[in-house]
Amino acid sequence: GIQVEQSPPDLILQEGANSTLRCNFSDSVNNLQWFHQNPWGQLINLFYIPSGTKQNGRLSATTVATERYSLLYISSSQTTDSGVYFCAGLKGGSEKLVFGKGTKLTVNP
Amino acid sequence: SQTIHQWPATLVQPVGSPLSLECTVEGTSNPNLYWYRQAAGRGLQLLFYSVGIGQISSEVPQNLSASRPQDRQFILSSKKLLLSDSGFYLCAWSAYGPYGYTFGSGTRLTVV
Repeated sequence: GIQVEQSPPDLILQEGANSTLRCNFSDSVNNLQWFHQNPWGQLINLFYIPSGTKQNGRLSATTVATERYSLLYISSSQTTDSGVYFCAGLKGGSEKLVFGKGTKLTVNP
Repeated sequence: SQTIHQWPATLVQPVGSPLSLECTVEGTSNPNLYWYRQAAGRGLQLLFYSVGIGQISSEVPQNLSASRPQDRQFILSSKKLLLSDSGFYLCAWSAYGPYGYTFGSGTRLTVV
């Protein structure tokens, strides 16, 4: 199966700072997603982004499928951005979404 | 719009007791359904997935089983819980094809 590596594993920011989270895949995927898990455990789908760039408010994501990586950008971070960010993907023909181990983000006031 | 319901939110069960967690989806037909477990340390592990009624694929040999008695209902069960079954259990659904996944709010299970 595919392997998903996320970096950095932990990130601490001051409110207002920008950050970039990275996700690397061991093989090509055709369903790449970014999730945010809040402190209460709820997993929220941020982006479905198999390729290209998408933006949603202060968040944006870019996937370069040919190079098997994706980036999540957080601008002007807020304390509510804290939590764990996961990327996940699956190979064509598979129904099994494989997750990375996540990046734990802490935004301090 | 589609919604996913998962209950209970928290559960404390003694070792050796049975388990039944339920997940239902509304507003869609023939969804793909999934059970994930998240142990301490953050990683999400796929336990079971189903592409249709009565069709269950198991990913990890364990003390758990899953069933899909109705199109939009997915149940996670155990006959006898172990301490190692403690964790955060998440149900998810997706439409067939390259679509995003939507997760339920999770069940935090503690086996004592």
